Amino acid sequence: GQSLEQPSEVTAVEGAIVQINCTYQTSGFYGLSWYQQHDGGAPTFLSYNALDGLEETGRFSSFLSRSDSYGYLLLQELQMKDSASYFCAVVLSGSARQLTFGSGTQLTVLP
Amino acid sequence: DGGITQSPKYLFRKEGQNVTLSCEQNLNHDAMYWYRQDPGQGLRLIYYSQIVNDFQKGDIAEGYSVSREKKESFPLTVTSAQKNPTAFYLCASSGNRGYQPQHFGDGTRLSIL
Repeated sequence: GQSLEQPSEVTAVEGAIVQINCTYQTSGFYGLSWYQQHDGGAPTFLSYNALDGLEETGRFSSFLSRSDSYGYLLLQELQMKDSASYFCAVVLSGSARQLTFGSGTQLTVLP
Repeated sequence: DGGITQSPKYLFRKEGQNVTLSCEQNLNHDAMYWYRQDPGQGLRLIYYSQIVNDFQKGDIAEGYSVSREKKESFPLTVTSAQKNPTAFYLCASSGNRGYQPQHFGDGTRLSIL
């Protein structure tokens, strides 16, 4: 089976940097993906790591260590609009590339 | 604009009733997925389809059924066998080559009357 752990809540102030960690246990690991979901809305894709290291996309970066079964999402220069839930998701090997999602981290950005 | 359309946005089910949630995409994606999300939880996979006329059970398929007769459409039926259907249902699609991100619809919120 698969399991993912991420903190349930994180709070930070505008302009700060926040890191959301994700540890996973899985068979058939292909990569780690991150999605953002605003309250009641559709999840949107943020980033994907297949190899160890850091991937940077604007204010967001994502890191993966396959040997440690660990990854994180780094959000810089936080803005109020970044208040949302953030989900890490393991991408499974196999032709379907299924996703197994963590329970999500609720990020609150304070003024 | 390309995207995924789910309808209806809100749906109410009576005891013993089957209901069908619609999902249509015009992204020309081969793969489509249905997820269930309960409050404060992550998404759990119900069914997925990699190609027309083929679909596979996900982690929580019991009480649900799907069809994939057209590339653009992947409707989900919540049957009366699903005893706890109240949830937020999300449909997604993606390309089939390598890893391609999933694109999600805006969801259908299903409640019991």
